[in-house]
Amino acid sequence: KAGVTQTPRYLIKTRGQQVTLSCSPISGHRSVSWYQQTPGQGLQFLFEYFSETQRNKGNFPGRFSGRQFSNSRSEMNVSTLELGDSALYLCASSLVGGRDSPLHFGNGTRLTVT
Amino acid sequence: GDSVTQMEGPVTLSEEAFLTINCTYTATGYPSLFWYVQYPGEGLQLLLKATKADDKGSNKGFEATYRKETTSFHLEKGSVQVSDSAVYFCALSESGNTPLVFGKGTRLSVIA
Repeated sequence: KAGVTQTPRYLIKTRGQQVTLSCSPISGHRSVSWYQQTPGQGLQFLFEYFSETQRNKGNFPGRFSGRQFSNSRSEMNVSTLELGDSALYLCASSLVGGRDSPLHFGNGTRLTVT
Repeated sequence: GDSVTQMEGPVTLSEEAFLTINCTYTATGYPSLFWYVQYPGEGLQLLLKATKADDKGSNKGFEATYRKETTSFHLEKGSVQVSDSAVYFCALSESGNTPLVFGKGTRLSVIA
């Protein structure tokens, strides 16, 4: 069974640009969550999608957005990039979300903003 | 709000040493508790979990007991191996569909 796939693996962008990251969940998983990982802040929750609807949202500015497609694949978009957006972005899928449905993480997309 | 506090690393141990990584939490209700592990260059993997007080989660020689009275979920292993070198994250989820809240992680290095 294929795991969670995130593309691209590495990305270098310039301040002010926008970026789209992609996540393909494990087959049959309907919930997709996104986390930002940085050395200083650790793992911070961005948002969760379930059946194409945003179910939870973390404390990030509106520049961070996402969506989920009917096949459960998800994308997140960051507009007007800032240097502080440099991070590892992790996607995680689970069957239905919630605490009784374990998260399965992808290997992440490493975003560097210069 | 909910939070998780882990001991700061890095932790460096010799092979076969005993491991304890401390984790305490703050939550308003009765959360489920988790330990995740992140190996170099990879995403996080669920290591073990406990869903109610006094539950013990265990996997691959690692154990953690849900202690409600001390709001703790310390990770232990009796004899670590070089292959256990990774970053360990303690996490909680309050109820229903609330997202996981993670601690900042503890880096473990095991030397032969």
